[in-house]
Amino acid sequence: DAMVIQNPRYQVTQFGKPVTLSCSQTLNHNVMYWYQQKSSQAPKLLFHYYDKDFNNEADTPDNFQSRRPNTSFCFLDIRSPGLGDAAMYLCATSRWDRDGQPQHFGDGTRLSIL
Amino acid sequence: AQTVTQSQPEMSVQEAETVTLSCTYDTSESDYYLFWYKQPPSRQMILVIRQEAYKQQNATENRFSVNFQKAAKSFSLKISDSQLGDAAMYFCAYRRAYSGGGADGLTFGKGTHLIIQP
Repeated sequence: DAMVIQNPRYQVTQFGKPVTLSCSQTLNHNVMYWYQQKSSQAPKLLFHYYDKDFNNEADTPDNFQSRRPNTSFCFLDIRSPGLGDAAMYLCATSRWDRDGQPQHFGDGTRLSIL
Repeated sequence: AQTVTQSQPEMSVQEAETVTLSCTYDTSESDYYLFWYKQPPSRQMILVIRQEAYKQQNATENRFSVNFQKAAKSFSLKISDSQLGDAAMYFCAYRRAYSGGGADGLTFGKGTHLIIQP
């Protein structure tokens, strides 16, 4: 089945140690999104790629970066994780058109900071 | 900026009964899309139902239907004949329509935790 796969499911890192989360898709969607979901809060969009065009949300901290080397893969890099960055990180994809195509989500990566 | 509000942090319903989850939103746009997503514990978020703002007819997907009131900016989800598998966190989400190239993310509400009592 076509799907969105996030690795790893659980990630533990140390305060200030860079960490990379990965997302891959077999849907061949041209848009990929990263959301941050803290406990008991709404998922919050960090940024998205429309093809190779990177779109950062205005309030996304500089500590968060992203790479999309090809259509299938997208990475979330946190350069110096702080305790406040502990959260579930959700990757989603969509096929953009004008008809409001829904986003397809991965299982998420739960990030813990020691 | 758009906001989505879900005023019910938790709802409980007996199996086979009907439950309605509330959602209101605020936007200055006239064309947009609304979604309900379901997120079971430790599982991926999946689409339940989608509504196009320019369509007056309420969307329906099997046991799931919405009551879309555009003037009131209200978008509630009705689940009929509730089943144990419906237990999950339900998120209401908004996305504006685009008139040109590009894409846009979803603005989510905080979610409603739905409990199904056997």
